[in-house]
Amino acid sequence: GAVVSQHPSWVICKSGTSVKIECRSLDFQATTMFWYRQFPKQSLMLMATSNEGSKATYEQGVEKDKFLINHASLTLSTLTVTSAHPEDSSFYICSATSTSADTQYFGPGTRLTVL
Amino acid sequence: QKEVEQNSGPLSVPEGAIASLNCTYSDRGSQSFFWYRQYSGKSPELIMFIYSNGDKEDGRFTAQLNKASQYVSLLIRDSQPSDSATYLCAVFNDYKLSFGAGTTVTVRA
Repeated sequence: GAVVSQHPSWVICKSGTSVKIECRSLDFQATTMFWYRQFPKQSLMLMATSNEGSKATYEQGVEKDKFLINHASLTLSTLTVTSAHPEDSSFYICSATSTSADTQYFGPGTRLTVL
Repeated sequence: QKEVEQNSGPLSVPEGAIASLNCTYSDRGSQSFFWYRQYSGKSPELIMFIYSNGDKEDGRFTAQLNKASQYVSLLIRDSQPSDSATYLCAVFNDYKLSFGAGTTVTVRA
């Protein structure tokens, strides 16, 4: 149980384009989903918290207009990196929680490379 | 001051030995504590969680929590080469997880 998927697993795009990453909870309803970013040899940094049907809460320093988050259903959240630049290249990981609000299950991650 | 700090690595242990990982946290009101394992290029996977003071054992893993000292640890007994990974300590507070920087463990055969 508690399986979270992400799509795509990796993506390469040109600078200035937008990229959408999907996060799905496959066998449970995710009341809350989280989006993290991890640069090489660094720990996970929380970008935003997303609750189904409401606006995402962004961490300090994360541009909400650049990283658009939509949590339209209890099983799907999307992160769109708008006008991506090389410095946005990173490993993006989502996680989801169900009724046990503190235990998070992670998706496999999406590696974004912006040329 | 970082919210969650882990002992600096890397940690190298021989196969069959005990690997000891330490973590301290700054918010005394934290209630839930997690250990995740992350292989290179992969996302974290949950190993254990602990809520109460004392020890919690799961197979070869033992988590220890001391809220008075704001300290949580993870012991890996009978270490195997497959345990070689980065171990992340995470503390749940204010509806979100804060992660330590991680300790990289290498188990040498």
